[in-house]
Amino acid sequence: AQSVAQPEDQVNVAEGNPLTVKCTYSVSGNPYLFWYVQYPNRGLQFLLKYITGDNLVKGSYGFEAEFNKSQTSFHLKKPSALVSDSALYFCAVRDPMDSSYKLIFGSGTRLLVRP
Amino acid sequence: KAGVTQTPRYLIKTRGQQVTLSCSPISGHRSVSWYQQTPGQGLQFLFEYFSETQRNKGNFPGRFSGRQFSNSRSEMNVSTLELGDSALYLCASSLVGTTTDTQYFGPGTRLTVL
Repeated sequence: AQSVAQPEDQVNVAEGNPLTVKCTYSVSGNPYLFWYVQYPNRGLQFLLKYITGDNLVKGSYGFEAEFNKSQTSFHLKKPSALVSDSALYFCAVRDPMDSSYKLIFGSGTRLLVRP
Repeated sequence: KAGVTQTPRYLIKTRGQQVTLSCSPISGHRSVSWYQQTPGQGLQFLFEYFSETQRNKGNFPGRFSGRQFSNSRSEMNVSTLELGDSALYLCASSLVGTTTDTQYFGPGTRLTVL
């Protein structure tokens, strides 16, 4: 069965420091991986996705993620955090062998960037 | 291009009532998916529509239903509301609903069942 794990409920980082939000996945085939961000009282905003190709994916607002097949991970990173990055981050996976097309989401990680 | 819109943004209902939520996808997008977000269960897939047909359905009771119109707009209906149906209901649209498509989400409808 497909699953996504975000092992940290919350990540705290100082503004200007690099940030990492962790994600590991489990699917039967090669995964399609996504990162979304949710601000209070808002829907999910797409940041980036990995389908195939280069393991380092660059996305919106300076975020990037690295796909690591051997560790089944897709960690979200940013070189220099901003206070405005504080939000709830979701990792999601889609198994291309699953005809249902649905996204399976992790439980979310709250990022808090302190000034 | 305008994003995904959902109406209403907030709803308060009582147990036993029914409710209809509406979603307008991004112009040109033909696939619409619905998700339920709760603190306890997280984000869960409800169903997906393409060309007015339900292609996929999640593990929810039959009280949850939906439809899609010829202009790709979608509605979901929940009948005989229960307290546990209180949640943020998110609609997402994508071009044609393939496995590589990106789903773009609306702001959600916050449903409170009293």
